Amino acid sequence: GEDVEQSLFLSVREGDSSVINCTYTDSSSTYLYWYKQEPGAGLQLLTYIFSNMDMKQDQRLTVLLNKKDKHLSLRIADTQTGDSAIYFCAEIREGSYIPTFGRGTSLIVHP
Amino acid sequence: GAVVSQHPSRVICKSGTSVKIECRSLDFQATTMFWYRQFPKKSLMLMATSNEGSKATYEQGVEKDKFLINHASLTLSTLTVTSAHPEDSSFYICSAPAHRETYEQYFGPGTRLTVT
Repeated sequence: GEDVEQSLFLSVREGDSSVINCTYTDSSSTYLYWYKQEPGAGLQLLTYIFSNMDMKQDQRLTVLLNKKDKHLSLRIADTQTGDSAIYFCAEIREGSYIPTFGRGTSLIVHP
Repeated sequence: GAVVSQHPSRVICKSGTSVKIECRSLDFQATTMFWYRQFPKKSLMLMATSNEGSKATYEQGVEKDKFLINHASLTLSTLTVTSAHPEDSSFYICSAPAHRETYEQYFGPGTRLTVT
C-alpha cells in the first residue's frame, strides 16, 4: 500500500461538517500537514500538527492525530462552497525535510 | 506569507520542442526547491530536488536528460522539458521549504503543459 492514504472523494451539504481522513505508515513522522488545492492552482498550507500533539484547532478547522493508529483527520465546521477543493495530507519523517503526500481528497460542497 | 511564482501558468507546445518553466521565490531565498508533477486523480509525484549552485537530485525513474533542472540563483529554479511528447503533458508544480522548523512548503501556482 501507499505510505499516505486518503479516500478520493467526499461530498457534503453546505453548513454541515466535513471530516477528511488520512492514514500513514511511518511511525517516525514528525510533522503532519493538511494542504488545500483549488482548481488549477498550487497547494496552500492549511494547518499542521506536530507528532507529540493530538489535537489542534484553528477557527473552523480541527486536526486530530491518533499516533497509535497512525490516523490523521481534518474537520471543517460549517462547510462552505468555497471549501470545495482537493485536500492533501502530508507527512515529514524524522531526518528528512521532504514531505510525502497522499493522493488528495476531493471535497465537493453542494447546496 | 512567502510567495512562490511560476511562469508560464500554461503552455502549449508541439511535440519535439523544448519548454522552460520558471519557479521564483519572491520574498525569500530558497537554496532548495522541489519540482512535482501532478497526474489526474493522483498525488504529487516528486520529480527532483533543485539545489542552488549544484546538481539537482532526481527521484528514481525520472530522466535527467529529459527534465533539465537549473538552480542558478537563490530565487530562481528552472525546469526544462526537452523534446516534449504528448505523454509529458501534465501539471508541474514547484515548491520551496519555509525557513522554519515545521518544514512546511510554499507552493507555486503550477504550470499546465500541453504537448500536441
